[in-house]
Amino acid sequence: EVQLVESGGGFVQPGGSLRLSCVASGFTFSSYWMSWVRQAPGKGLEWVANIKQDGNEKYYVDSVKGRFTISRDNAKNSLYLQMNSLRVEDTAVYSCARGQVTGTNWFAPWGQGTPVTVSS
Amino acid sequence: DIVMTQSPDSLAVSLGERATINCKSSQSVLYSSDNKNYLAWYQQKPGQPPKLLIYWASTRESGVPDRFSGSGSGTDFTLTISSLQAEDVAVYYCQQCYRGYTFGQGTKLEIK
Repeated sequence: EVQLVESGGGFVQPGGSLRLSCVASGFTFSSYWMSWVRQAPGKGLEWVANIKQDGNEKYYVDSVKGRFTISRDNAKNSLYLQMNSLRVEDTAVYSCARGQVTGTNWFAPWGQGTPVTVSS
Repeated sequence: DIVMTQSPDSLAVSLGERATINCKSSQSVLYSSDNKNYLAWYQQKPGQPPKLLIYWASTRESGVPDRFSGSGSGTDFTLTISSLQAEDVAVYYCQQCYRGYTFGQGTKLEIK
């Protein structure tokens, strides 16, 4: 069974940092593009970042460029999101999601997500 | 950015009846080189992450019941549930992947 399990969320003050992790199982992690997607409380979905299989291509939504860094460790079947200079508007549930082998078009499956709260 | 707008925001349909959700993109998501619409549909039940239902606007994901179908091209798309079941109560999202990735605001589907 394909499974994605996130961790690392929590409560942080504005300007603080968090590192999210996502462990994958049930598929060949190193063969797929991977993404982070977030959902603010009571709001819709927003793609945050994605990364190619070898880690050499990374893309971000404009609102997190320069503050967030996506990375992966294929030996550990793990995806990461380093979040710095956090803002109140970054409050959301962050989920990792699998893309495709050839790129990222749609997201399937998604992890359950880890909540991030940014507040003073 | 390509803006995705869904209608209606909420919908109540009787069991066994047809449910129709619309999605409009601010620009065409039809890629001329492969004639594919870069549009997907998801279902999100309470407390669960989104689940992919449809991609390329009309291709059903493996394991998705055939009562779910997608149609449309260019800027206007529709998700249809042919005979609503109780387990279909959820929020449905469309998503474009033509340029970046943006989602519609969601449509909440309930039983009448």
